[in-house]
Amino acid sequence: ETGVTQSPTHLIKTRGQQVTLRCSSQSGHNTVSWYQQALGQGPQFIFQYYREEENGRGNFPPRFSGLQFPNYSSELNVNALELDDSALYLCASSYQGYNQPQHFGDGTRLSIL
Amino acid sequence: QQQVKQSPQSLIVQKGGISIINCAYENTAFDYFPWYQQFPGKGPALLIAIRPDVSEKKEGRFTISFNKSAKQFSLHIMDSQPGDSATYFCAASAQGSARQLTFGSGTQLTVLP
Repeated sequence: ETGVTQSPTHLIKTRGQQVTLRCSSQSGHNTVSWYQQALGQGPQFIFQYYREEENGRGNFPPRFSGLQFPNYSSELNVNALELDDSALYLCASSYQGYNQPQHFGDGTRLSIL
Repeated sequence: QQQVKQSPQSLIVQKGGISIINCAYENTAFDYFPWYQQFPGKGPALLIAIRPDVSEKKEGRFTISFNKSAKQFSLHIMDSQPGDSATYFCAASAQGSARQLTFGSGTQLTVLP
């Protein structure tokens, strides 16, 4: 069984640039959620994708957007990067349904200069 | 608004001792309470989870105690080992389309040999 994989592992960008992060869900999982984890804090929910559509969104501005593909993999796009966007971005996959556990990848460390 | 409060922020325990981490929540719609373990450079890994119709759940050395009336739950790690040294996060989710996880702020556990 293949776990959740994310790429790249590290990324350095400058303010104002755009970035795309990628996630391959665990085998069989049809739902992907993205979280932002600032240093020393718990992950914060960004949004979730199910059946290629956004299925819920946290308190993040529209410059955070995403996609889910037919194979359930997903992308997180962030436009107009700000210094505060520096964080670990985590992808979690699960089955859709009641209390289905979410399994996390090891994240992408994004640094904004 | 932080909806899940976690304490302590850090914890040092001797090998063989009991580690106890506490969480309190505000949202009475929460109905699923997982605990995650995170090592440096890794994503959170699901340890154990509980639903509010159960007051206690045990898996190996890990036990969740749940007090619905007090809106509190805790993680007990029995016979703590140096390999348990990590950051632990409690989380909660409510019934809904996305069932996003709301995380506590984390507890950094150090188990001394």
